[in-house]
Order: sequence, then structure tokens, then C-alpha cells
Amino acid sequence: GAVVSQHPSRVICKSGTSVKIECRSLDFQATTMFWYRQFPKQSLMLMATSNEGSKATYEQGVEKDKFLINHASLTLSTLTVTSAHPEDSSFYICSARDPGGRSETQYFGPGTRLLVL
Amino acid sequence: QKEVEQNSGPLSVPEGAIASLNCTYSDRGSQSFFWYRQYSGKSPELIMSIYSNGDKEDGRFTAQLNKASQYVSLLIRDSQPSDSATYLCAVQGRYSTLTFGKGTMLLVSP
Repeated sequence: GAVVSQHPSRVICKSGTSVKIECRSLDFQATTMFWYRQFPKQSLMLMATSNEGSKATYEQGVEKDKFLINHASLTLSTLTVTSAHPEDSSFYICSARDPGGRSETQYFGPGTRLLVL
Repeated sequence: QKEVEQNSGPLSVPEGAIASLNCTYSDRGSQSFFWYRQYSGKSPELIMSIYSNGDKEDGRFTAQLNKASQYVSLLIRDSQPSDSATYLCAVQGRYSTLTFGKGTMLLVSP
């Protein structure tokens, strides 16, 4: 299957700072990437859909000014959590759609665990 | 509001038994269905995808889809302790976005 990487895998930051998370498709070009958030013992919640070369589409209730998404190339999407607060502590996971296979299949990155102190 | 429902479990089965995981969905227009496995602290990994009514087999895994009943299931034959994980059912709606269920925790005892 397609390989998706994320960096960093874990980050601890102080409240009020910004954190950038990178998502890369390693062996395919992804015009569409997705960003999810997962709180403990909860399911994955889609935050936004990232489209290469255009603005991201945010799900209802997700603040686009707080969670900045940039998809500048076909292999890289970034999520920046601005002015992070303890309630933003979560497991952030990206996925990418592999255009080489059945178009609906999404492959997930390993996730980034964010802890805001 | 699109919903995907799963029994949270845990579902406990002995090693070598068949584990049966079930999922129902609310959006009758859904076309694509996926099962992901998620180990604790890790991200989901794709196990099976199914698009048509009926059964789809891949090794020890069989996915079953019944669109009329809006029901998807995953059977794991010869369950192994390494299969112990949370299994997420995902349904694809419009714009290729996935809606996930909360997952069923499977425990396979040696």
C-alpha cells in the first residue's frame, strides 16, 4: 500500500505557542489529504480536507484560523495549530488518497501526538 | 447527520476462534466501506475495502456488505492474539470523506 509519513511523531509545547505538523506522501502524489483528530477512547474526527493548490475545506466546528492548513505540493500538507491550548492536546493523524488505486482508499500517516502544557 | 455505529466491546474470543465485528450506517447513499485496524497509540491501518453487496475475502479476513440493511461486517478466522486491537468501520460519503465508527475493541486470548 501507499506510504504516508508525519513529522514530528510527538511534540510537547507551552500554551500559546504554535505547532506545525507535516504530512508527506512518500511514493505517490496526493492531490487530496485529510486531517483528523482523535481524543482518547474516541473515534477519528475529520477536521479538514486539504486540496493541493487551493484552500482547505473545514468541517463544521473546526476553526480555520486556529488550524491552518497548507497543501503547497502534491506530496506535502501541513497543519499548524496556532496559539495552542491544553484542550488542543490530542492525536493528529493525516491521510492521503492514492490516485493509483481505487480512488476512495485513504492511507494514514503514523500520527502526531500533541501535548500542550 | 451521517452516522456509523459499532458496538464498542470489548469482544473477547479465544485464539483460533472466529471474531465477528459489525457495523451499521445511516447514509443510504454510501458507496464505499472500509475496515481499519488500530493498535493502541497507533494510527489506523487499512485491512479491507468493500464496494459491492456480498462477501469479499482476503486471507483470514472476510468483509460482508448488505446495502439494503445498511450493514457491514468483518469476520476474522483463526483469530490470533496479535489481532487484538480496535477495529474501525469507515463509510465513504460525498467528496470522498470518511465517517468513522467509534470502533470495536477485540481481545484474543491465548
